[in-house]
Amino acid sequence: GAVVSQHPSRVICKSGTSVKIECRSLDFQATTMFWYRQFPKQSLMLMATSNEGSKATYEQGVEKDKFLINHASLTLSTLTVTSAHPEDSSFYICSAIRAGLYEQYFGPGTRLTVT
Amino acid sequence: DQQVKQNSPSLSVQEGRISILNCDYTNSMFDYFLWYKKYPAEGPTFLISISSIKDKNEDGRFTVFLNKSAKHLSLHIVPSQPGDSAVYFCAASARAAGNKLTFGGGTRVLVKP
Repeated sequence: GAVVSQHPSRVICKSGTSVKIECRSLDFQATTMFWYRQFPKQSLMLMATSNEGSKATYEQGVEKDKFLINHASLTLSTLTVTSAHPEDSSFYICSAIRAGLYEQYFGPGTRLTVT
Repeated sequence: DQQVKQNSPSLSVQEGRISILNCDYTNSMFDYFLWYKKYPAEGPTFLISISSIKDKNEDGRFTVFLNKSAKHLSLHIVPSQPGDSAVYFCAASARAAGNKLTFGGGTRVLVKP
């Protein structure tokens, strides 16, 4: 199978602080990883596409200076929410594509609560 | 502009019967379609996919049908089991656009024992 992990699974932080979320492909190399955000009872919204060794591509309306993405290796991508505000509270999910295939495999998600 | 739509927000079905989930899309550039199952506070789990060159793909209890002319796809689950109760998302991608997925709004399925 294709296993993707995320850490932490749940984080509570104070307004103004930064939070880093890690996404790892455990048993395959992922040339591309994606970051999504899901609000309650809504669908997944793509935030950005992360390619190993290059800058992330952000979707329209997503602030790249607020949501910093680093894809330093073929198995790890990180999302840093900088200067978090309560409206950033959400469920963040990453996914990864195994090289040569098309299916995205998702991590278990990270619940971020900003107080 | 919703490019992928799941018009039924919920579906209730008796155990053992067939569950049929529908999905419509508008972007003719989409050439790969996927179905995911999702439980609350978890990431989506890949179920089945279909390329635009096919009209049917089957994997165990799951079958996906694609009607390109109607820009419509459906997921059939038979027989439905209580463990199938979850939210199902239809997703579409255009491989020429880097495999980004566009998700539908989801259909919540409840399988009654």
